[in-house]
Amino acid sequence: AQRVTQPEKLLSVFKGAPVELKCNYSYSGSPELFWYVQYSRQRLQLLLRHISRESIKGFTADLNKGETSFHLKKPFAQEEDSAMYYCAPPNNFGNEKLTFGTGTRLTIIP
Amino acid sequence: ETGVTQSPTHLIKTRGQQVTLRCSSQSGHNTVSWYQQALGQGPQFIFQYYREEENGRGNFPPRFSGLQFPNYSSELNVNALELDDSALYLCASSVSGGSYEQYFGPGTRLTVT
Repeated sequence: AQRVTQPEKLLSVFKGAPVELKCNYSYSGSPELFWYVQYSRQRLQLLLRHISRESIKGFTADLNKGETSFHLKKPFAQEEDSAMYYCAPPNNFGNEKLTFGTGTRLTIIP
Repeated sequence: ETGVTQSPTHLIKTRGQQVTLRCSSQSGHNTVSWYQQALGQGPQFIFQYYREEENGRGNFPPRFSGLQFPNYSSELNVNALELDDSALYLCASSVSGGSYEQYFGPGTRLTVT
């Protein structure tokens, strides 16, 4: 079974400092990885997906197949980045059925 | 464009009872997935429905069942409720074969006493 590990449950970063949210996965195929975000009092939403190689709200994520990691990064944190972040590779059933990590709560300190 | 809606918002049931949760998918979406999110955990995949048939199931017992209707809306039914079933139940809709992006509803908070 696929597993995803987000080692940090809580992460606090000063505004303007770099942010890195860690994600490690186990997946036997070639994964299509996602990061989902949940802002306060909002529903879970897609932040970015690996295959599109987009930068959303300044965030990027590089797939490292050797380390089986998909860390989320942003060079300069902003206060509006405070949220719950979930790494989500697909499970056995395909890309539309996600396996979520336990999430990292990111708090940006003004 | 109408987003994913879920009903009810929250409910309280007694152990052993049965519950039905409802989800309306986003306009144009033909696939509905259900997730269970226990407190402090990430969402766990329960199952997915496509073309009114179950299309993949996570590690949940048979007392978790579902339906999808011709208008792509869906129901999640849980029989013989247990205390551990207390959680936020999320519904997500998507387009099969599309971008794989899932659009989530606000969730239904179920409390089993």
